[in-house]
Amino acid sequence: KQEVTQIPAALSVPEGENLVLNCSFTDSAIYNLQWFRQDPGKGLTSLLLIQSSQREQTSGRLNASLDKSSGRSTLYIAASQPGDSATYLCASWFSGGYNKLIFGAGTRLAVHP
Amino acid sequence: DAGVTQSPTHLIKTRGQQVTLRCSPKSGHDTVSWYQQALGQGPQFIFQYYEEEERQRGNFPDRFSGHQFPNYSSELNVNALLLGDSALYLCASSRGPSGANVLTFGAGSRLTVL
Repeated sequence: KQEVTQIPAALSVPEGENLVLNCSFTDSAIYNLQWFRQDPGKGLTSLLLIQSSQREQTSGRLNASLDKSSGRSTLYIAASQPGDSATYLCASWFSGGYNKLIFGAGTRLAVHP
Repeated sequence: DAGVTQSPTHLIKTRGQQVTLRCSPKSGHDTVSWYQQALGQGPQFIFQYYEEEERQRGNFPDRFSGHQFPNYSSELNVNALLLGDSALYLCASSRGPSGANVLTFGAGSRLTVL
């Protein structure tokens, strides 16, 4: 069964800290992996898309890596700010299921001043 | 350039009723996918429409049905509503059905079943 797991489920950090969010997947036949941000009661905002041939993507203070052999992806947030507070979701397409994303349950991040 | 538009934003129904949710994809996108997100969980794939056909379906009962129109907009219908159908329903659009294409999500329709 293709599953995506995210740890920790929740994280609270002081402003300015660098932090890492973890995502693991059960099937190495991954096609692409995407990180999203979701504010309370809102839809999803795409942060980074890593294609299967890539190992990482960067956007501003965000860096996402992909290691297919170990079944892991990490989202690194540098110099966290209160505005980064949100739920971060990892999702993947798996080979043979190109048309659907499988999501993790998310990591709820709180950055306090 | 408008993104993905969903309506209504919130609605309340009672058990046994039927509901229709609507989605207009981002300009230039021709593929629409629907996801259900229960409170505290990640979204779960319901189905995807491309070229007015259902291309793939997740693990949802036949009470969940959909449609895509020639202008690429889509509807999600849920019959015989259950309490467990209470969730945020997200629509996502893309340029083509392939997993290589970035999905753009709408803000969602919050359904409460009493």
